[in-house]
Order: sequence, then C-alpha cells, then structure tokens
Amino acid sequence: SQTIHQWPATLVQPVGSPLSLECTVEGTSNPNLYWYRQAAGRGLQLLFYSVGIGQISSEVPQNLSASRPQDRQFILSSKKLLLSDSGFYLCAWSVGSGGARETQYFGPGTRLLVL
Amino acid sequence: KQEVTQIPAALSVPEGENLVLNCSFTDSAIYNLQWFRQDPGKGLTSLLLIQSSQREQTSGRLNASLDKSSGRSTLYIAASQPGDSATYLCAVSLKNYNNNDMRFGAGTRLTVKP
Repeated sequence: SQTIHQWPATLVQPVGSPLSLECTVEGTSNPNLYWYRQAAGRGLQLLFYSVGIGQISSEVPQNLSASRPQDRQFILSSKKLLLSDSGFYLCAWSVGSGGARETQYFGPGTRLLVL
Repeated sequence: KQEVTQIPAALSVPEGENLVLNCSFTDSAIYNLQWFRQDPGKGLTSLLLIQSSQREQTSGRLNASLDKSSGRSTLYIAASQPGDSATYLCAVSLKNYNNNDMRFGAGTRLTVKP
C-alpha cells in the first residue's frame, strides 16, 4: 500500500532563517507531487506541483521554492523565512497524467511557526 | 477566478442529530468536487468525490450532492457521532488537464457533543 510521510511534524523558526520540509511517498512510482499551505482560517492553497524529477511548477509567487531530487521525494525550501510563511504545510500525491480526474492523497502535514 | 465558500464556519450539534454542511463555488466549469475531513493538526482524508456529471455520492452515513449549475454542494451527515468531530473541507477541481488544480474552501469545523 502507498504511504506518504512528512517531517518534521512541527517546526518553530526565527524570521530570516532557512527552511527545509521534506515529503516522501512509498509504494508507488512516478507520482505527481503537490505542496499546499493552509493559513489559519483559510482554505488550502496550492504552492507547487511536480509531474516528474526536476519538474516543478509554481502556482503563486512567493518566498518559497520546491525541488524534486528523487522520484518520490519532494522538498519545500526557503532561504529566508518571513512571518507570513507561518502555516500548515501539506504534501499530497496522485498517480496519472496530472489531470483533474485524479484523486490526491495527503500527508500528515507540518505546522510551521515563524517568530 | 474560482472562489469556494463554506457555510457555516463552525457548527456544534448534539450526538444523533442529522446535519448539512454547505459549499458554494463561483465558476460552474468544474471537473469534480471533493469533500475532505481534516482532524486537528493532521492531513486530509478524502470522503466523497463527485464528478461534474453526477448529482450525488453516498458512503455510509455521508451523502454529498452537487448542483453544478447553481454552484452548490452539500454534505449530509446522518445520525452524527462524536467521532465525526473534525473540520470538513470541500474542494473543486478546475477543468485543467495540465495539472490537478483544486481550490479549497476554508472549511466547516464540526463538533458533535456526546
């Protein structure tokens, strides 16, 4: 069966510090991978998606970047965190051509607090 | 621009009550609509997926309906239980075959009291 892992579960970082959140998927090959952010009281916002190694698409301009060094690994990074980067970050995966007909499966999330 | 709204933002009901959660979206050109459950500090679990050509989907005590022309969906929970307490999110998938672009509502936080 497929599983998705995210770490760390919780992170408190000072403003201006770097960030690295990791997401890995097991039990499937060549998944489509997604990073979402959920700010307090707001819906999820798609940040990045990837249909393959080294292929990253960004949905919104922001202070964050994403990388996919391996087939089942998706990393969310920042060189300098802002207060507005605080939120709950969710990674998700799907299998297929990347179209809207696929079901996405979500990881447990990382809660980031920037002080 | 697609906007998804969920009403109410929070709901508290006694155990055993039937309840309805509402979701509305501004652009009817959707591919499908999903209802998710999110427990505090955790990821999302997909509950029901309704394709744009469908009117409703059922799973156990859950029934989701879709009226695409009016931009509305409802999630009906029968005989609510304390274990149903969670935040319920609806999301619409846009008609975009290049990426799986879902737009989420802010959610309804449900509390079922024993």
